[in-house]
Amino acid sequence: KAGVTQTPRYLIKTRGQQVTLSCSPISGHRSVSWYQQTPGQGLQFLFEYFSETQRNKGNFPGRFSGRQFSNSRSEMNVSTLELGDSALYLCASGPGGQKTQYFGPGTRLLVL
Amino acid sequence: GESVGLHLPTLSVQEGDNSIINCAYSNSASDYFIWYKQESGKGPQFIIDIRSNMDKRQGQRVTVLLNKTVKHLSLQIAATQPGDSAVYFCAESANDYKLSFGAGTTVTVRA
Repeated sequence: KAGVTQTPRYLIKTRGQQVTLSCSPISGHRSVSWYQQTPGQGLQFLFEYFSETQRNKGNFPGRFSGRQFSNSRSEMNVSTLELGDSALYLCASGPGGQKTQYFGPGTRLLVL
Repeated sequence: GESVGLHLPTLSVQEGDNSIINCAYSNSASDYFIWYKQESGKGPQFIIDIRSNMDKRQGQRVTVLLNKTVKHLSLQIAATQPGDSAVYFCAESANDYKLSFGAGTTVTVRA
C-alpha cells in the first residue's frame, strides 16, 4: 500500500497570510491526525478527524482548522500566519478503530 | 550494550551493541504506547507498539518493555546498526486517539 502523502512538501509564506496543507491517508484508513513539530515544543497534537468529523482537538488557537472529506483525505488551514507557525506539519493516518498511526513525510512551512 | 536509566536526549552506541532507550510517561490512564523512529528530513516511522495489558512485546530486532507501576517504557534494539541512527520518540494515548509525544532521544551509532 502507498503510504501517507502530504502536499506541498515545502512552503514559504509571509506573516498575515493563510495556508492550506493537504494529506492523503493510507488506503482504507479513516482516521487522520495532524501534528506540529518544532525544535522547541517537539511534536504536538493539533486535531484528529474520523469519518469527516473532528473527534479530538489539541490546544491550538482557532487560527488552526481542518476538515476531512468523504474519501478520508484531509486538509488543515492556518490563517493569519505568525512567525511562530514555522514548523514541520505532520499528518498521520490510522484504521480508526485502533490507535496506531502512520505518518507522512510532512510539510515544512516557513513564515517570514 | 548501553542503557540509559533516565531519559537522556542523546545516546551514543557502538555498532553491534544493544541499545536501550528509556521513556517516562505521566498519564496513569494511558493504555497504548508506541515508538517511532525519525530520520532527518522524514516523518516519524512506526517501530512497535504495546497495549497496557502487556508488559513486553517483540518485533524484528526490537523489544518494548512497559512497567506500569513506575510509568516507564523502554525500547531495546539488538545489534545496533548504522541505519539505526535517528531520533526515537515514545508516545502514549489515553482515552482518545490523540498521541502525546516525549521529547525524543537522538541515537548515534559509532562504527
